[in-house]
Amino acid sequence: GAGVSQSPSNKVTEKGKDVELRCDPISGHTALYWYRQSLGQGLEFLIYFQGNSAPDKSGLPSDRFSAERTGGSVSTLTIQRTQQEDSAVYLCASSETGPLYGYTFGSGTRLTVV
Amino acid sequence: AQSVSQHNHHVILSEAASLELGCNYSYGGTVNLFWYVQYPGQHLQLLLKYFSGDPLVKGIKGFEAEFIKSKFSFNLRKPSVQWSDTAEYFCAVITTSGTYKYIFGTGTRLKVLA
Repeated sequence: GAGVSQSPSNKVTEKGKDVELRCDPISGHTALYWYRQSLGQGLEFLIYFQGNSAPDKSGLPSDRFSAERTGGSVSTLTIQRTQQEDSAVYLCASSETGPLYGYTFGSGTRLTVV
Repeated sequence: AQSVSQHNHHVILSEAASLELGCNYSYGGTVNLFWYVQYPGQHLQLLLKYFSGDPLVKGIKGFEAEFIKSKFSFNLRKPSVQWSDTAEYFCAVITTSGTYKYIFGTGTRLKVLA
């Protein structure tokens, strides 16, 4: 596609439920990243994919968070047993080659846990 | 640990005023440097980047940034701001060796008064 597409754009969920966030990167971009943007916290790195593998998942805050990428394209970020502190905007970005040259960001998914 | 500091969290300027947003990073090795901008209601966009060569880089919309290696700084400048520059600005650094840590600052909210 023309840009990085994320769905849903907004998600409200009850505490304790699981959620799945989807990212469709730009076609042909091999590198894909997930970030979390919280009010006043800047961008927090979560995980980086190169192809289908994740060489760096050091930013995942707990084992309730997981992500996968299939076919070198679509990625899904799953949060299990959501907590209120998980409320944030989850951003996906992709890059044609790798992390060194800048990303194209999606519009994000705003997750609210009530 | 590597970090990126943006000292100004909120900046308010009148139109035509000059802008300088500070960005300092802590990392002893080689880095690539970026500024991203997020206009209200829009996704993050790459404003400019520095990899090597001339330390003064020019980006879109009249922005420029200067890399001063001795000061570990990459400050963003614009000689004359416009109301449409109202946005949040993020500095980012990526280390070019090892695990390619991509680190964002906490952002600076710029409001330009018409």
